[in-house]
Amino acid sequence: NAGVTQTPKFQVLKTGQSMTLQCAQDMNHEYMSWYRQDPGMGLRLIHYSVGAGITDQGEVPNGYNVSRSTTEDFPLRLLSAAPSQTSVYFCASSQLDRGPDTQYFGPGTRLTVL
Amino acid sequence: AQKITQTQPGMFVQEKEAVTLDCTYDTSDQSYGLFWYKQPSSGEMIFLIYQGSYDEQNATEGRYSLNFQKARKSANLVISASQLGDSAMYFCAMRERQISSGSARQLTFGSGTQLTVLP
Repeated sequence: NAGVTQTPKFQVLKTGQSMTLQCAQDMNHEYMSWYRQDPGMGLRLIHYSVGAGITDQGEVPNGYNVSRSTTEDFPLRLLSAAPSQTSVYFCASSQLDRGPDTQYFGPGTRLTVL
Repeated sequence: AQKITQTQPGMFVQEKEAVTLDCTYDTSDQSYGLFWYKQPSSGEMIFLIYQGSYDEQNATEGRYSLNFQKARKSANLVISASQLGDSAMYFCAMRERQISSGSARQLTFGSGTQLTVLP
């Protein structure tokens, strides 16, 4: 059981480049989200989705786009990378309306923008 | 105002001893959930324990227990019989019900506590 997978694990970009961070889950979870983690801080929500075709902004959405064409996949796009986007990115998924509704996290993508 | 406050940036505990990691939260919702996650040096986020706002008993999961004091808005994590493998960053998080987004389940995280278990 793969759970939540993220690719790539590491990425270095130059300022102004664009790229897509991939996230997939095989647990048939409705809810998926993207967080970023900066040094000395907890995770902050970028975007989330409550189901295919439905996305919404979190706390720090600027500079990022998302789409949810299938239940399984939730890619995060950086439109024009900036050094301020250097961070570790986590994707998470959970089942809606189920008990503690635990969010399961992927292994993270460490992104450096030069 | 911070929604989740973890006032201990770093903590040390002797192996086999118990340790309490503090977490206070701020919400006006009546229905919310509180989570603790462990992040070892390898970087993954590992779910440890959950407490619902309407749960009358403190949550327990093996060596982890959550000391939930609703009136004080605190949700401290207690680790009993610490092991060297418990050395990690620990995050407290809260999920509030977002009325405008229906049943969206957003987590708000604290800044974490770095726990070091000493042999």
